[in-house]
Parts: sequence; structure tokens; C-alpha cells
Amino acid sequence: SQQGEEDPQALSIQEGENATMNCSYKTSINNLQWYRQNSGRGLVHLILIRSNEREKHSGRLRVTLDTSKKSSSLLITASRAADTASYFCAAGSGGSYIPTFGRGTSLIVHP
Amino acid sequence: DAGVIQSPRHEVTEMGQEVTLRCKPISGHNSLFWYRQTMMRGLELLIYFNNNVPIDDSGMPEDRFSAKMPNASFSTLKIQPSEPRDSAVYFCASGVDSGANVLTFGAGSRLTVL
Repeated sequence: SQQGEEDPQALSIQEGENATMNCSYKTSINNLQWYRQNSGRGLVHLILIRSNEREKHSGRLRVTLDTSKKSSSLLITASRAADTASYFCAAGSGGSYIPTFGRGTSLIVHP
Repeated sequence: DAGVIQSPRHEVTEMGQEVTLRCKPISGHNSLFWYRQTMMRGLELLIYFNNNVPIDDSGMPEDRFSAKMPNASFSTLKIQPSEPRDSAVYFCASGVDSGANVLTFGAGSRLTVL
């Protein structure tokens, strides 16, 4: 497996704005996952996108995957204060998928 | 299901003491992970079990750390002797390894070594 690297490290926006965070990885993948971590809690799985998919939606979340650029983006539309959290990506490859995480993007949504 | 259950939630101990962290994964999950999170290093993978067998322990920092999974419903992470630099939040996560391990994390065990 391999580690995804998220950027930016920190993002501060106003409620109602969209938030975009990015993930880059180094080698070919089978799939990529995004997780959220609220302060003091464990990570929570948000969405998984497979290597043969280019875009996936889940509620206000939109994930894109560009395998040619080895990158993914997570878009949160119409953000809310409750979206304040750290967001992590994990890229998976090989037979046994071992999610390893970067440092995450810390998102603050101001009410 | 109650989710992944970790204990203790908080532990404060003195340098040199033995620390045992416990995890009960979700029933039916066949993969189990231990991670450590600090501000300095982020979220580090320590060890990965598949069907109770340790598959990858390359992230275990040193011999002071050991992990076991005696059965599908229980795992421990032991630190002996503990050191102040072991202070961190330790997470256990479980999943179904079907080509995409979607993980469910526990609430974490916050360890402080004085």
C-alpha cells in the first residue's frame, strides 16, 4: 500500500462556501478512500473511489480521481460549521489493501 | 453493532511501566489495524492483522512494542517499558479485506507517559 499526501495542510472558510482539498499519491492504485476526523475522535470513512471511476458523489461530497496525475480531490459544497474536521486520504494498491494516511487537511468552517 | 471498542480511553502512567491497550473489533471483520497519532508524526500505521495473523508489523517502533490477536474478537497492543515519547493517541480499526479495506475506527486510547 502507499501513503496519500493531502494539501493544503489547513483551510479556513466561511459557512456556505465550498471547500476543496487534494490528495496526491505516487504509484498505481486500485482505489482511494477519504476519511474525516473530528477533534478527539477516530477517523470516519466518507467515500471510496475505484481506479476505473473518475467522479463520485455522496450528499454534499464530490470526489474526483485523476489517475494520470496520480491525484484526487474532495469537494465539500455549501459547507457547514459541523464540517470542521481533519480530512485524510488513503491510497490502496496491491493484493492486500493497507490504508496508510498522510497528515491530513485541517478544515475550519466559520459560522 | 457497538462499533470498534477500545480500552482504556485514557491512561496516564510513569516511565518504565507496562501499558496494555485493548481492542474489540466489529464482528465479522477480518482485518485489524493499530495506528498511533501524534502532532509531530501524524497518523502512523503500527501493525496490521488479517484473520488474526500479523501481516505487516514494519511500523512497530521497536522491541518495546508488541501486539497480539489471540482470536477474531480481541487484540492487544503492549508497550513495555513505556517512555515519554510513546505518549500519543492509539487507534484500533477493523475492516473487511476484500480488496478495499474500508475501516471503522475506535474512539482511541490517549496515552500519557510521565
